[in-house]
Amino acid sequence: EPEVTQTPSHQVTQMGQEVILRCVPISNHLYFYWYRQILGQKVEFLVSFYNNEISEKSEIFDDQFSVERPDGSNFTLKIRSTKLEDSAMYFCASSARTALNTEAFFGQGTRLTVV
Amino acid sequence: AQSVTQLDSHVSVSEGTPVLLRCNYSSSYSPSLFWYVQHPNKGLQLLLKYTSAATLVKGINGFEAEFKKSETSFHLTKPSAHMSDAAEYFCVVKTSNTGKLIFGQGTTLQVKP
Repeated sequence: EPEVTQTPSHQVTQMGQEVILRCVPISNHLYFYWYRQILGQKVEFLVSFYNNEISEKSEIFDDQFSVERPDGSNFTLKIRSTKLEDSAMYFCASSARTALNTEAFFGQGTRLTVV
Repeated sequence: AQSVTQLDSHVSVSEGTPVLLRCNYSSSYSPSLFWYVQHPNKGLQLLLKYTSAATLVKGINGFEAEFKKSETSFHLTKPSAHMSDAAEYFCVVKTSNTGKLIFGQGTTLQVKP
């Protein structure tokens, strides 16, 4: 069964460092997403991406964040200068369409710890 | 604004007894609703979805949910809990064609032997 895979499963980084979280979406999907969950809080939408462009982003997704699809298979989230409050579980997701009745498929998450 | 409220942060049941996880939503439009489950160290897995075809939706592993528009609810049920059902459950709403999902805060289901 096709699945979304994320690497690494756990990343520890020092405050101020750049970090790149990687995702391989399901191969025939066209829409890609990043969500995050700070410990004890809700899963929050960060950004959606289609046709090599951001299609929607939340207020969380400021200039410190960027996304890229560098090749035909990977989808990355970069945080330029990490802050303590960026510590969270980051989930990548993909979907075949954005229609209301279409579900998203999620990866297992990357736990980012900023120290 | 769209939102989802899961009424219980933690539910504990005994194995073999029914499960009820409660979810209420707020939406200006006719939403699609989903339940996802997350087992430890695993990704979010789709349990079931409501997309206006039928108000009672059956999902995987014996779970089902009923969409009640008048109550703005989408509660998840299972007649008989199994130890393997212990996990975190998320009620999720989708109200537009942008693909963006709005999550509830999650309910931790504990199943006691």
